[in-house]
Amino acid sequence: GAVVSQHPSWVICKSGTSVKIECRSLDFQATTMFWYRQFPKQSLMLMATSNEGSKATYEQGVEKDKFLINHASLTLSTLTVTSAHPEDSSFYICSATETATYEQYFGPGTRLTVT
Amino acid sequence: GQQVMQIPQYQHVQEGEDFTTYCNSSTTLSNIQWYKQRPGGHPVFLIQLVKSGEVKKQKRLTFQFGEAKKNSSLHITATQTTDVGTYFCAGIDNYGQNFVFGPGTRLSVLP
Repeated sequence: GAVVSQHPSWVICKSGTSVKIECRSLDFQATTMFWYRQFPKQSLMLMATSNEGSKATYEQGVEKDKFLINHASLTLSTLTVTSAHPEDSSFYICSATETATYEQYFGPGTRLTVT
Repeated sequence: GQQVMQIPQYQHVQEGEDFTTYCNSSTTLSNIQWYKQRPGGHPVFLIQLVKSGEVKKQKRLTFQFGEAKKNSSLHITATQTTDVGTYFCAGIDNYGQNFVFGPGTRLSVLP
């Protein structure tokens, strides 16, 4: 079956630094990838929709200058948390929609801790 | 690691028929969430279950959390064409650290 990977699976960084998270569709092409954020025991929150070759569409309240999304190819999207602060600590999940079937597959998530 | 499975993978029903999807976790969960994704859209949060044996209803949807907190079900009574989509469950482990999605059940409703 289709697989979506995320790297890294967890990361600890210092306040003020930037962190890049990769989301890859390993065996299918994904025209659309979604980025989510999840706080402990809370529901998933959509941050942005990423379409290959175009600018990401951010949800209301999500700072696009802080959460930079790049979707340069049909198999890779990246989320960069710039100038991270402790309140950015969270679980970030991506999902990818297969171009041919419109099936959506979730990545395993990346846990970010900002100290 | 924690695994969450869902069955069936696909379900085709005639409008008016009932539908049930089952979610099973390899480990005991702290809570479980259900999402619905319409074709072309993103998953939308439906509900969260926390207590063992909990049953919650939203109109024609009934959600149940198993006594052992390892499984859950979503039942739709008298399906409508607006119910079409993929239903995902997501399990959260007891430490609140792992958040794992099931593969989803895709529901088709024939008018």
